[in-house]
Amino acid sequence: AQKITQTQPGMFVQEKEAVTLDCTYDTSDQSYGLFWYKQPSSGEMIFLIYQGSYDEQNATEGRYSLNFQKARKSANLVISASQLGDSAMYFCAMRESMNSGYSTLTFGKGTMLLVSP
Amino acid sequence: EAGVTQFPSHSVIEKGQTVTLRCDPISGHDNLYWYRRVMGKEIKFLLHFVKESKQDESGMPNNRFLAERTGGTYSTLKVQPAELEDSGVYFCASSQDSGTGLKAFFGQGTRLTVV
Repeated sequence: AQKITQTQPGMFVQEKEAVTLDCTYDTSDQSYGLFWYKQPSSGEMIFLIYQGSYDEQNATEGRYSLNFQKARKSANLVISASQLGDSAMYFCAMRESMNSGYSTLTFGKGTMLLVSP
Repeated sequence: EAGVTQFPSHSVIEKGQTVTLRCDPISGHDNLYWYRRVMGKEIKFLLHFVKESKQDESGMPNNRFLAERTGGTYSTLKVQPAELEDSGVYFCASSQDSGTGLKAFFGQGTRLTVV
């Protein structure tokens, strides 16, 4: 079973509108971390936001917020007031706590976001 | 502070040739990771170094791939001989620790095309 599922291959949004990118995850661990990365056309992977499994409040970083619903195992990324520069590939990822230490990042397939004027 | 740097940014080689990718992590980061994304698929873990030691190489696809991390600084990933299915973007990342909360900083990737 996939550990990270991103069901939206592509999303379109108009500039200045908000958009939600979906991410669900699968883990039996109690301690884990959830991440969102952005990959623009230039290729680099840019860290956006992190949510720990024990964090009670949803993470926020500027225009980015993470809608964390632990019971549903979802960690959706919300981008408010979209900008043209937000057009990129967005990856959801998870790091789990294991008996032997911590896992490396497991990624979803990504969602391509296109922001139009 | 310099980020994670990868070289080359692009490489086009013929099937059967050898290619070596290099990654310079952020100074002081003990953890170095290699990932790969084949076109249209998710980013897959290849291996993890802690300093110069291979902590986890469970993601290495086969013995045509050899990774080294000399002196716990930069790392190289050699593919020999390259096959068509090795084409993709190879990412390197580094982090200071391996806890669940520590984010990995990624390089810009090396786009490898095997023809």
